[in-house]
Amino acid sequence: GENVEQHPSTLSVQEGDSAVIKCTYSDSASNYFPWYKQELGKGPQLIIDIRSNVGEKKDQRIAVTLNKTAKHFSLHITETQPEDSAVYFCAASMGNYGQNFVFGPGTRLSVLP
Amino acid sequence: DAGVIQSPRHEVTEMGQEVTLRCKPISGHNSLFWYRQTMMRGLELLIYFNNNVPIDDSGMPEDRFSAKMPNASFSTLKIQPSEPRDSAVYFCASSLGGVWGNEQFFGPGTRLTVL
Repeated sequence: GENVEQHPSTLSVQEGDSAVIKCTYSDSASNYFPWYKQELGKGPQLIIDIRSNVGEKKDQRIAVTLNKTAKHFSLHITETQPEDSAVYFCAASMGNYGQNFVFGPGTRLSVLP
Repeated sequence: DAGVIQSPRHEVTEMGQEVTLRCKPISGHNSLFWYRQTMMRGLELLIYFNNNVPIDDSGMPEDRFSAKMPNASFSTLKIQPSEPRDSAVYFCASSLGGVWGNEQFFGPGTRLTVL
């Protein structure tokens, strides 16, 4: 089955700096890659996603890149703000009708003021 | 829309007791997922339903766990008997299945503590 690894497990950056989180997946059949943000005491919330027919996607300060050959994808957050502090999860899915996601272990991001 | 609704938000019980967690998905969504989150194992998919039918329950840890979805607006996850190692946060999520790459919307979770 699919296996998703995520690095780093913790990340501290100064406010205004950029943050990068990287994930690798094992199953070349995976074709949908969402990123979720989880704040303390809440459920995960989608922040951006990318499909396998696209190499890069951007939404304001957040971007995701996908390298299908190497089977890895990355989340980039620019101009970080304290409210970006949270746990971020990547996931991989084969995008079938069941939408079976396999999540990475998570990255705890701390943005220091 | 109120989003995915889960109850209770917190549950403390003693080992051996039956625990029932409840979920109301977003209206119109036809896929429902139950996840368990722990520090050690992260977010694990336990089971998911499509159009009220269980599609994959391979993540259910053992026979003590069971899930039902009697209709499109309600699902339960039951643990009987509960054990201390079942302590975790349990999330329910729903999505509009049948479309490539559809967002899963998560509920606020139920924090279960088994003493």
